[in-house]
Amino acid sequence: NAGVTQTPKFRILKIGQSMTLQCTQDMNHNYMYWYRQDPGMGLKLIYYSVGAGITDKGEVPNGYNVSRSTTEDFPLRLELAAPSQTSVYFCASSYYRKSEQFFGPGTRLTVL
Amino acid sequence: EDQVTQSPEALRLQEGESSSLNCSYTVSGLRGLFWYRQDPGKGPEFLFTLYSAGEEKEKERLKATLTKKESFLHITAPKPEDSATYLCAVQETSGSRLTFGEGTQLTVNP
Repeated sequence: NAGVTQTPKFRILKIGQSMTLQCTQDMNHNYMYWYRQDPGMGLKLIYYSVGAGITDKGEVPNGYNVSRSTTEDFPLRLELAAPSQTSVYFCASSYYRKSEQFFGPGTRLTVL
Repeated sequence: EDQVTQSPEALRLQEGESSSLNCSYTVSGLRGLFWYRQDPGKGPEFLFTLYSAGEEKEKERLKATLTKKESFLHITAPKPEDSATYLCAVQETSGSRLTFGEGTQLTVNP
């Protein structure tokens, strides 16, 4: 099993550009999550999904959108990128609600 | 609102020098407390889950304990390869989301 994979690993965007961060898991997990991690800070939840077709906002959802059309994939869309979205983004998944979350390797995004 | 505070922010140890990391939390109802290890440039790696006060779990040189207000991660005779940032997170009974602390950056010198 590859676990949770994320692409790209690094990306530089200009202000106002858009992009999609990809996340795929091969563990047949129902729950998937998107976090951002700023330097010296804990992880903040952006969006999460409890299954295909079902998504909900986390702690910091503004400026982001998600979709979940399959169990495996949970892309994160950034519209109109802003410097405040410069961060490291982590995708995670878990089998059910109270089980541990498995994290991907992250995408480092810089918005200039 | 759930709150998680980790201390110290950074800790330097000599190889073999045992110590503890603290995670204090405030949550309306605790479903579980999670410890993760994060190496530079990588995603967090799961270590332990604790569910109730008095519970303890061990893995190699690490032991995690839980009380009603805090958790400790004890590191016995650490080695340089234990150097990493250790993250604590809580999950409340009403939801699936985790609330993370800011982490403790541990450096173990040979």
